[in-house]
Amino acid sequence: GDSVTQMEGPVTLSEEAFLTINCTYTATGYPSLFWYVQYPGEGLQLLLKATKADDKGSNKGFEATYRKETTSFHLEKGSVQVSDSAVYFCAPKAAGNKLTFGGGTRVLVKP
Amino acid sequence: DGGITQSPKYLFRKEGQNVTLSCEQNLNHDAMYWYRQDPGQGLRLIYYSQIVNDFQKGDIAEGYSVSREKKESFPLTVTSAQKNPTAFYLCASSPRKGGRETQYFGPGTRLLVL
Repeated sequence: GDSVTQMEGPVTLSEEAFLTINCTYTATGYPSLFWYVQYPGEGLQLLLKATKADDKGSNKGFEATYRKETTSFHLEKGSVQVSDSAVYFCAPKAAGNKLTFGGGTRVLVKP
Repeated sequence: DGGITQSPKYLFRKEGQNVTLSCEQNLNHDAMYWYRQDPGQGLRLIYYSQIVNDFQKGDIAEGYSVSREKKESFPLTVTSAQKNPTAFYLCASSPRKGGRETQYFGPGTRLLVL
């Protein structure tokens, strides 16, 4: 089946620092790739997505590029804020398959 | 506003009791899903439904049951057979299961055992 490997957290940063969360996946077929964010006590929100190789998804200052050759979809943000403190999930989805979640990476941004 | 609603936000269960979690969507989506999230962990799929009156087991269906009598609604019952029900339960929907589209999530229900 499909699987996702995310870097383990927690990742603790100072405000305005650069954030990278690594994500690699295995999937049958040609998946779409998603990053979801979960703020404390809430459900998951779609942060960004990419549907084909070399596509770059972006939203709220976050970016991730679909790298088919390395099966990766690393999340980056150039300058984090305290409000970015959350858990981030990488998830591939191929047609006919279910959405597969990684274990999530907790990010804590300190002022 | 279109979206997914879950109720209640918090639910308490006594030993041996069945409880039902509500999930409603007005997005006109065909597919709906239930996930369980334990502290510090990712999401695990309990049940999903691609169409009214049809549903399939996910990875951890034991101790749970669902129904899909209406397109908009996909309630989850946590039965007394589920020995460790304390968790955060998330409902989601997507236009259809077989595609590559994203899923949209509700705000979740936290279930606690008294």
